[in-house]
Amino acid sequence: EVHLLESGGGLVQPGGSLRLSCAASGFTFSAYAMAWVRQVPGKGLEWVSVISGRSDIKFDAESVKGRFIISRDTVTDTLYLQMDSLRAEDTAVYYCAKDSRGGITGTLTHWGQGTLVTVSS
Amino acid sequence: EIVLTQSPATLSLSPGETATLSCRTSQSVASFLAWYQQRPGQAPRLLISDASKRATGVPARFSGSGSGTDFTLTIISLEPEDFAVYYCQHRTRWPYTFGQGTKLEIK
Repeated sequence: EVHLLESGGGLVQPGGSLRLSCAASGFTFSAYAMAWVRQVPGKGLEWVSVISGRSDIKFDAESVKGRFIISRDTVTDTLYLQMDSLRAEDTAVYYCAKDSRGGITGTLTHWGQGTLVTVSS
Repeated sequence: EIVLTQSPATLSLSPGETATLSCRTSQSVASFLAWYQQRPGQAPRLLISDASKRATGVPARFSGSGSGTDFTLTIISLEPEDFAVYYCQHRTRWPYTFGQGTKLEIK
């Protein structure tokens, strides 16, 4: 059974940094692209970043480009999101999600439960 | 960026009725459109991919149709657990975007 467990969220001041982690299990991690999607509480969904199974292709939303970096570790089966220069508008629940293939397809078949990031002074 | 517009924003129906949700895209996305369900306090769940393909474990009462710029999610014989928010999402090219959601509520 696919299981995705996010961690690393919390309260951070504007301009600060956080690193989110997503521990994956129940599937061959390196064989699937992975993504981060965020949701402001009570609002809609927004793609943040996506990375191919081999880490050779990455896409970032314009709103996070140059500030967030997605990466993955196939030894520990963990997906990461390094978030720097955080802004109040980055406050959201961040979901880790599994793509349907190793190449990026944009179809997210499994999701974690999310971790809340709050950017506030 | 392709903009997805969902309608209605809120749909009030009773269990046993049929729900018809719409998603319109600002440019053609061919059949590269998915539907997700999000129950309160839960993560989204994939229902339909590529306009009409039901995801594993999704009941047959859920069906998707459409191509180009107009898509529909139909849920027949609504069950209590179907009352949730539904999002459409395209995957034609980056950036992938979601619609703003349709809330399906109990009448």
